[in-house]
Amino acid sequence: AQKVTQAQTEISVVEKEDVTLDCVYETRDTTYYLFWYKQPPSGELVFLIRRNSFDEQNEISGRYSWNFQKSTSSFNFTITASQVVDSAVYFCALSRRDNYGQNFVFGPGTRLSVLP
Amino acid sequence: DVKVTQSSRYLVKRTGEKVFLECVQDMDHENMFWYRQDPGLGLRLIYFSYDVKMKEKGDIPEGYSVSREKKERFSLILESASTNQTSMYLCASSSRLAGGDTQYFGPGTRLTVL
Repeated sequence: AQKVTQAQTEISVVEKEDVTLDCVYETRDTTYYLFWYKQPPSGELVFLIRRNSFDEQNEISGRYSWNFQKSTSSFNFTITASQVVDSAVYFCALSRRDNYGQNFVFGPGTRLSVLP
Repeated sequence: DVKVTQSSRYLVKRTGEKVFLECVQDMDHENMFWYRQDPGLGLRLIYFSYDVKMKEKGDIPEGYSVSREKKERFSLILESASTNQTSMYLCASSSRLAGGDTQYFGPGTRLTVL
């Protein structure tokens, strides 16, 4: 069965600190996709990144970076020099292709609070 | 830019009422989804649709039905609302083409059933 674990329920940091959000997944598929979404207080889930199972290169986008390691089934997300606007719930998700296109499994989310 | 809109941000209904939640996407996506989000339970899939007039049950379909008469519109129906259906409802869409998979979400509808 597929599963996504985000062990950190809540994290609080002070502005400008670096913070890493952990994501560990389980799947027996050889082809799959991993995602991170941000849910600010407004409620909408905002897509951040998509990574397929054959691409283990780390990715950096501004203050955001992602570390994908198949050997440990992890897809961790780091925010460098955090800002108050980064306060949100962050979800890691796993998808695989099925007959209909995809099936998503979401982790429980990590609530990040960045204090001024 | 992908745009998914939901008919209401906040909705208050009474027990036993029939409730319609509407979702519209403007990206010609084949797949559309309805989730509910509850504290401590995360996002749970209610129904999804991979084509017009097609629907598939997700993890928690009981008490819900859906309708997809047009490609851009996916409706969630609560036939007889109950208090345990008080929740945040999120609609999403995605493309089935190569490079698809990414689900794009609407702003959510916070439903309260009294």
